[in-house]
Amino acid sequence: DAGITQSPRHKVTETGTPVTLRCHQTENHRYMYWYRQDPGHGLRLIHYSYGVKDTDKGEVSDGYSVSRSKTEDFLLTLESATSSQTSVYFCAISERGVGDTQYFGPGTRLTVL
Amino acid sequence: AQSVTQPDIHITVSEGASLELRCNYSYGATPYLFWYVQSPGQGLQLLLKYFSGDTLVQGIKGFEAEFKRSQSSFNLRKPSVHWSDAAEYFCAVGLLNTGTASKLTFGTGTRLQVTL
Repeated sequence: DAGITQSPRHKVTETGTPVTLRCHQTENHRYMYWYRQDPGHGLRLIHYSYGVKDTDKGEVSDGYSVSRSKTEDFLLTLESATSSQTSVYFCAISERGVGDTQYFGPGTRLTVL
Repeated sequence: AQSVTQPDIHITVSEGASLELRCNYSYGATPYLFWYVQSPGQGLQLLLKYFSGDTLVQGIKGFEAEFKRSQSSFNLRKPSVHWSDAAEYFCAVGLLNTGTASKLTFGTGTRLQVTL
């Protein structure tokens, strides 16, 4: 299994509070991704990174920001959490870009009350 | 924009029976294609991928998938299902013209139940 950890694994928070989720990899892969998983929607890409300090938006990026100051860490921040952001969040990594396989972390279950 | 359709939300098969999970994509060119499996409470594990070449792809755990360009399909098959195959299965499509990153579009998943 690819060395990917996510923290926290579970979090309950209140509407309007900031939340930061962390993805940490030990594979030294260049590309990192954040997805959310919701019933009936599969996985949807939030943001991705193609290098340190290089990030871009995915299809559902509104309300989320990301940062990558080190190769191994990719942070996802909800500046002001809303109930619609209750979801399971997955981090993924890939060594190369287009055409390459993505390997997934164990996920973080976030509940916004 | 590309899309991925998994028409079966839930499938139940008996242990030992054969399995086929359907996946159709909509895209103007040949994408690269994946099947992932997710066990309850777990992340996604890659079963197999198609990028080019032989249209019949072998994966882990005895799964295979066949790419059919004329039908825009990439169906997953297994000749004999085991109870441990009960999980959710996701088809994903990636494009070749998205810059550098490997951006995937996922289907909504098919939940497989295996009866003994």
